[in-house]
Amino acid sequence: QSALTQPRSVSGSPGQSVTISCTGTSSDVGAYNFVSWYQQHPGKAPKVMIYDITKRPSGVPDRFSGSKSGNTASLTISGLRAEDEADYYCCSYAGTYTPWVFGGGTKLTVL
Amino acid sequence: EVQLVESGGGLIQPGGSLRLSCTDSGFAFSRYWVHWVRQAPEKGLMCVSRINQDGRMTIYEDSVKGRFTISRDNAKNAVYLQMNSLRAEDTGVYYCARVLDTTFYFDDWGQGSLVTVSS
Repeated sequence: QSALTQPRSVSGSPGQSVTISCTGTSSDVGAYNFVSWYQQHPGKAPKVMIYDITKRPSGVPDRFSGSKSGNTASLTISGLRAEDEADYYCCSYAGTYTPWVFGGGTKLTVL
Repeated sequence: EVQLVESGGGLIQPGGSLRLSCTDSGFAFSRYWVHWVRQAPEKGLMCVSRINQDGRMTIYEDSVKGRFTISRDNAKNAVYLQMNSLRAEDTGVYYCARVLDTTFYFDDWGQGSLVTVSS
């Protein structure tokens, strides 16, 4: 089971927008609409920010949005704030008998 | 509000065994799949194993098949990960994370339990 591919780092200034990509295969990201995104601050557990590609759990700001095209999912964070600085991981369901697969993680730096 | 709590981690020599526990203080534990997710030092997340609601279905990542066993006791709101023949590459923080029955995302995570495999 290969990890999904994410950029190692992205950065942006406060108020700007950034997009993090997550590329998988036709067996995971491309096959199912079950991609989720997690935010992880240092020393903390991950927290879900987006699920089912585009849905936001209650309490997550609408500055966070998701999309998918083919085998690539994306997370866009608009109106960057200092507290958005964290690691972000995508995750995809990959079938009944296969472990879910994560991306390698992207470190977001707010300049 | 912390609902999932892991325990059982520690320092263990290569070839040794550990059992991790994950307890849920919530009210609907039996409706959840539970996954164990490992994060190696300065690395990303990896799904190690998962178990369905009644414990009859278990899935493992290739590198732990035959060495790790996941189980659950719904009467105790607990999931366990028995880890045998531990290797240095098993080192990391182990999180338990739950998935509500018809959903496909982790809605809650524990705080993590550190496992260090070293001589």
